[in-house]
Amino acid sequence: NAGVTQTPKFRVLKTGQSMTLLCAQDMNHEYMYWYRQDPGMGLRLIHYSVGEGTTAKGEVPDGYNVSRLKKQNFLLGLESAAPSQTSVYFCASSRFSSGTLIPLMEQAFFGQGTRLTVV
Amino acid sequence: AQSVAQPEDQVNVAEGNPLTVKCTYSVSGNPYLFWYVQYPNRGLQFLLKYITGDNLVKGSYGFEAEFNKSQTSFHLKKPSALVSDSALYFCAVRDPPTGGFKTIFGAGTRLFVKA
Repeated sequence: NAGVTQTPKFRVLKTGQSMTLLCAQDMNHEYMYWYRQDPGMGLRLIHYSVGEGTTAKGEVPDGYNVSRLKKQNFLLGLESAAPSQTSVYFCASSRFSSGTLIPLMEQAFFGQGTRLTVV
Repeated sequence: AQSVAQPEDQVNVAEGNPLTVKCTYSVSGNPYLFWYVQYPNRGLQFLLKYITGDNLVKGSYGFEAEFNKSQTSFHLKKPSALVSDSALYFCAVRDPPTGGFKTIFGAGTRLFVKA
């Protein structure tokens, strides 16, 4: 089935541990995103990528790193996890407007989310 | 700076009754507005959008939204709620052309539809 797949779905980390979240999409989308979702707050953009080999910072990038070595994959890394990074993480992908390069969020696909707890 | 507010954390409605989920926004120019729905253990799904044109836009699953420029609102509506509509709803706004990747999501409103 076409879509966005995130692994793992759940994870508990100890403070200071590292981990990588994997996002894979099979729709040949150029743009990919990582968001975090916290209670009482909307989705906040962590990092995004406009194509293979390119990444950029979003609204809340501190404490995270990303890589887009292959077009279909977008990895989110936590080098030293902190309790403040307890959240639900969503990956998304989308096409973009050929004229303006603005992402077509109405056509975005979101993964099922990864619930991360840092203790 | 652009922003979006969903003033209600939760909305309760009986099945068959009309529902409204509120959203107000603040942007410097003409907004692109979106509604998304999130079912349990699922990612967000796009419902509808407003970019220009008719103030009443129709979307998936019988939902519609009314754009009101003077009140800077974009409320989500449905004439007759279903139990299966129970979910978390997000309003989002982007201010083109500079908004780019800065699609701002509201905090979400949880909708409960009782049978």
